[in-house]
Amino acid sequence: EPEVTQTPSHQVTQMGQEVILRCVPISNHLYFYWYRQILGQKVEFLVSFYNNEISEKSEIFDDQFSVERPDGSNFTLKIRSTKLEDSAMYFCASRRTLGQETQYFGPGTRLLVL
Amino acid sequence: AQRVTQPEKLLSVFKGAPVELKCNYSYSGSPELFWYVQYSRQRLQLLLRHISRESIKGFTADLNKGETSFHLKKPFAQEEDSAMYYCALSSGGSNYKLTFGKGTLLTVNP
Repeated sequence: EPEVTQTPSHQVTQMGQEVILRCVPISNHLYFYWYRQILGQKVEFLVSFYNNEISEKSEIFDDQFSVERPDGSNFTLKIRSTKLEDSAMYFCASRRTLGQETQYFGPGTRLLVL
Repeated sequence: AQRVTQPEKLLSVFKGAPVELKCNYSYSGSPELFWYVQYSRQRLQLLLRHISRESIKGFTADLNKGETSFHLKKPFAQEEDSAMYYCALSSGGSNYKLTFGKGTLLTVNP
C-alpha cells in the first residue's frame, strides 16, 4: 500500500538557521498539508496546498514559513530562520481528491531547535 | 471557529472491559468527524470516519449532533488497542483541513 514518506526523521538545528523538511505524498494525490505537534500539545494545521499554490494557511504559518512542490513528487516545508518555539514534530499529509476526505499522514520529522 | 475537545488525557482499562473515548466538538457548519490512531512509534492512521458508519477493529463511533459528540466505543478492549487516539474535525470546503483534539492515551492492561 502506498504511503506518505518524510525525510529526515530527525533534525537538529541552531536557532536562526534555515531548515527544509521534505515529504513525498502518495503519487496520485492532489492535496497536500503540513501539520505540526509541539511536545505535549495537539496536532495543529499549518498549511494546505493544491494546484501549485497555498489554498489555506493558519496563523502559525507566518513569513518564516514557505512551501513548495519543486517537482512532481516532493513537497517541502521551509523555515527560513528557526526559533526555539519551532521545535516540534512536523507531519505531512496528502489526500486524493475533493470527494476523498481521508488524509494520509507521513511518519513525521522531529525538529529540535537549539 | 472550530474546536475539538477530548476531556481525558489518559484512559486505562483492563483487557475485555468496555472502553469509551470521549470527543466533543464545536463547529457552526456541518462537520465531518474522524478518529485517528497512533500506535507506538507509528504514523497517524485513520481509524473511523463518521460518514462511512463502519466498525473498524471492533470500534464504532456515532455522531450525535444534539450533544455535539463523536465518542469512540469498543465493547471488549484488547491489549493491542493500546495507543494514542485523536478525534478530528474537517471543515469541508475546498481544503478539508483537520482540527484535532489533544488526544487520549489508551492503555489496555492484561
